[in-house]
Amino acid sequence: DTAVSQTPKYLVTQMGNDKSIKCEQNLGHDTMYWYKQDSKKFLKIMFSYNNKELIINETVPNRFSPKSPDKAHLNLHINSLELGDSAVYFCASSQVGRAFGNTIYFGEGSWLTVV
Amino acid sequence: SQQGEEDPQALSIQEGENATMNCSYKTSINNLQWYRQNSGRGLVHLILIRSNEREKHSGRLRVTLDTSKKSSSLLITASRAADTASYFCATVSNTGNQFYFGTGTSLTVIP
Repeated sequence: DTAVSQTPKYLVTQMGNDKSIKCEQNLGHDTMYWYKQDSKKFLKIMFSYNNKELIINETVPNRFSPKSPDKAHLNLHINSLELGDSAVYFCASSQVGRAFGNTIYFGEGSWLTVV
Repeated sequence: SQQGEEDPQALSIQEGENATMNCSYKTSINNLQWYRQNSGRGLVHLILIRSNEREKHSGRLRVTLDTSKKSSSLLITASRAADTASYFCATVSNTGNQFYFGTGTSLTVIP
């Protein structure tokens, strides 16, 4: 019944590795997002997809590559992980339009620690 | 940057007191929303106020919006220990699908 689910919840990995975080939403929303929250709880948008099309790509290193196989999934792949990538990554979704109330729904977060 | 800013960064009050958090933003908006984040969890929507509204209530929450000053405030009345969390404002673009979050206020309610 989870609306936005992301896996894994915890990920500890070494510098230089490649890792992926998966996200799925069962709300029927058209738009999905990846946010990064740092240790100071600053929440920064990374990417936004609408119906599998990229609509927002903030200044993010190209080591980060989102992939949306369909509008219910938005995965995040990170190459050559660096210490500074350690953060909590949140997947989210929303739907524009009155029927959906125009709010954003978050997953529970994926805690990435790079050692 | 389109991020908002909140103040205070941290707020500690006694149970039963009111808590007020402020948010300032920079761009024109469709609406502004407040979210809550419990420790170790994702953000959860609390309340939405449209750009043509000035005040909105929901239970113990009261939100105001001043678009001329590009600011909003969230008031939690009669606070409870369970209100302890971080609170974020989010501005929503006129396209309705871009959400930019503030820096958050960490609220601690002491029983």
